Amino acid sequence: NAGVTQTPKFRILKIGQSMTLQCTQDMNHNYMYWYRQDPGMGLKLIYYSVGAGITDKGEVPNGYNVSRSTTEDFPLRLELAAPSQTSVYFCASSYGVSPNTGELFFGEGSRLTVL
Amino acid sequence: KNQVEQSPQSLIILEGKNCTLQCNYTVSPFSNLRWYKQDTGRGPVSLTIMTFSENTKSNGRYTATLDADTKQSSLHITASQLSDSASYICVVRALRTNAGKSTFGDGTTLTVKP
Repeated sequence: NAGVTQTPKFRILKIGQSMTLQCTQDMNHNYMYWYRQDPGMGLKLIYYSVGAGITDKGEVPNGYNVSRSTTEDFPLRLELAAPSQTSVYFCASSYGVSPNTGELFFGEGSRLTVL
Repeated sequence: KNQVEQSPQSLIILEGKNCTLQCNYTVSPFSNLRWYKQDTGRGPVSLTIMTFSENTKSNGRYTATLDADTKQSSLHITASQLSDSASYICVVRALRTNAGKSTFGDGTTLTVKP
């Protein structure tokens, strides 16, 4: 199993550009999440999904959009990039949310710089 | 408001020494607490999970404790190795919460020096 795969690993955007961060998992997990991690700070939840066709906002959703058309894929769309979106983005998945099933499996991260 | 506070923010120790990282939380009602290890430039990886009925749990040189009464957890690392250099993140989940509601601490950055 590859686990959670994110692309690209690095990207530089100009202010106002748009892009999509890709995330796919091969563990048949129902739950998927997008987090951002600013330097020296904890992970902040952007969006999450409890299954195909269902998404919901997290703590910091402004400036982002998501979709979940399949169980495997959960892309994150950045519209009109701003310098405040410079961060490292992590995609994660879990089978469930109980103690036995709620372990988060993270991708390697996507480092985004907006200039 | 649910909060998770970790201390210290950073820690430097010599290889072979022990250390203890702290996590205090106000998440209620409590379901479980996980410790994750995040190597530089990588995604976090789960080390251990503590549920309400568990006081201590070991995973190799890592031992986690939980005091549900005082809402405190600790992660003790024994005989540290250079590979233990990483950020350690405490994550607490409440009962009867939606899927997104895990509360993350800001992490403790551990540096192990030879």
